[in-house]
Amino acid sequence: DAMVIQNPRYQVTQFGKPVTLSCSQTLNHNVMYWYQQKSSQAPKLLFHYYDKDFNNEADTPDNFQSRRPNTSFCFLDIRSPGLGDAAMDLCATSRGPQGSGQETQYFGPGTRLLVL
Amino acid sequence: AQRVTQPEKLLSVFKGAPVELKCNYSYSGSPELFWYVQYSRQRLQLLLRHISRESIKGFTADLNKGETSFHLKKPFAQEEDSAMYYCALSGATNKLIFGTGTLLAVQP
Repeated sequence: DAMVIQNPRYQVTQFGKPVTLSCSQTLNHNVMYWYQQKSSQAPKLLFHYYDKDFNNEADTPDNFQSRRPNTSFCFLDIRSPGLGDAAMDLCATSRGPQGSGQETQYFGPGTRLLVL
Repeated sequence: AQRVTQPEKLLSVFKGAPVELKCNYSYSGSPELFWYVQYSRQRLQLLLRHISRESIKGFTADLNKGETSFHLKKPFAQEEDSAMYYCALSGATNKLIFGTGTLLAVQP
């Protein structure tokens, strides 16, 4: 089945220790998104790639970065995780950007990040 | 500012009862609105979008621009409808803004 895969499903890291979360897709979609969802809150967009074009949200902490080496993969790098970064990190893809008529987003299962 | 409000964290109904999950939005232009659903142990997925004007799994949602609402309705709830429901808005910024979600619990 074509899908969005996230690894690992659970990630435990230490305060200040860099961590990388992975997302891959077999849908051949042009757009890939990273959301952060804290407990009892809405998923919040961190950034997205439209092909190779990176779009960072204004309020995304500098601590959070992303890489998209090819169409299939996108990574979330957290340089120095703090206790407040514990959350469910969601990856999503869409064929086109919002407003294109092809904007339905397909989500991965998420990676739950725990910072000790 | 663009905002989506889902006033109910939890909605509990009995099987066969009507369901209405409320969603209000704040946006000055012409929004695109969506309902996403997350069943237990499953990923977030699109349920329906207002421009499609379709009924999915018996659910419908009508965009009311006067009341800035996009409530999700189903006439007869089923136990398998139990899930977390998120209303989402796409506006001029071309990004999806989610509400905080409503947990629907359908009791047998």
